[in-house]
Amino acid sequence: DAGVTQSPTHLIKTRGQQVTLRCSPKSGHDTVSWYQQALGQGPQFIFQYYEEEERQRGNFPDRFSGHQFPNYSSELNVNALLLGDSALYLCASSLRRGWRGTDTQYFGPGTRLTVL
Amino acid sequence: GEDVEQSLFLSVREGDSSVINCTYTDSSSTYLYWYKQEPGAGLQLLTYIFSNMDMKQDQRLTVLLNKKDKHLSLRIADTQTGDSAIYFCAESTLLNSGNTPLVFGKGTRLSVIA
Repeated sequence: DAGVTQSPTHLIKTRGQQVTLRCSPKSGHDTVSWYQQALGQGPQFIFQYYEEEERQRGNFPDRFSGHQFPNYSSELNVNALLLGDSALYLCASSLRRGWRGTDTQYFGPGTRLTVL
Repeated sequence: GEDVEQSLFLSVREGDSSVINCTYTDSSSTYLYWYKQEPGAGLQLLTYIFSNMDMKQDQRLTVLLNKKDKHLSLRIADTQTGDSAIYFCAESTLLNSGNTPLVFGKGTRLSVIA
C-alpha cells in the first residue's frame, strides 16, 4: 500500500519565478492538505482540497494556489516566488469522515524548495 | 484561535524514559496528535487521542491528557538512539463538516545519549 508521495524532492528557483509541486495521496484517501514548514518551525496550513475544490485555507497570499484532480492527486502552485518562500512543503492526505471522527492526516516526505 | 506550545529541547540517556510535554488552547471535541520528524524527512504519525480520553497506550508510547490544564504528554519508554528526532504536538477540532486543519507546535528536539 503506497503512502503519500511527493515530487520533486528538491527544487531550486530564483525570485519571481513560479513553481508547481505535486502530491499523490495514500490509497483510499480523498482529501489533500498542504503545509509549509520553515526551518526550525512547525508546519503551517496552506489549504485543503476535497472533491476538487479548495475547502479550507490558511493565512497565505493568493500567490499560493492549488488544484485537485479526479484521481485525488493535487498540485500546489506558487507564483512570484520570494526568498521567504524557501521551506519544506508537505502534503498530507486523509479520508474525510465528517462528524464521525478524525480525518487523520498522513504526510509525504515533502519537497524542499530553495529560492535564490 | 488554536495555539500549541512545546518545550524546544529534551536530552535523555538511552534506556531511560522520555516525557515530551505540550499545552493547547482549544477545549471541546479536539483531537490531539503526536508526529515524529527525522532529519530531512516528512512527518510520521505516532499516535493520537480524543479530548474525552485521559490516556492511550501503544507499545512503548503512552499519551496522557489533562483536560483541566489542557496539557498533553508523550512518554517514550526505554528510549533508543533511533528515537532521536523532532516531535510535534498538533491539534484539530472536530466539526460536523469534518476536522479543522492541524495546528502544530514548534516541535521538541529529542536527543538520546548512548
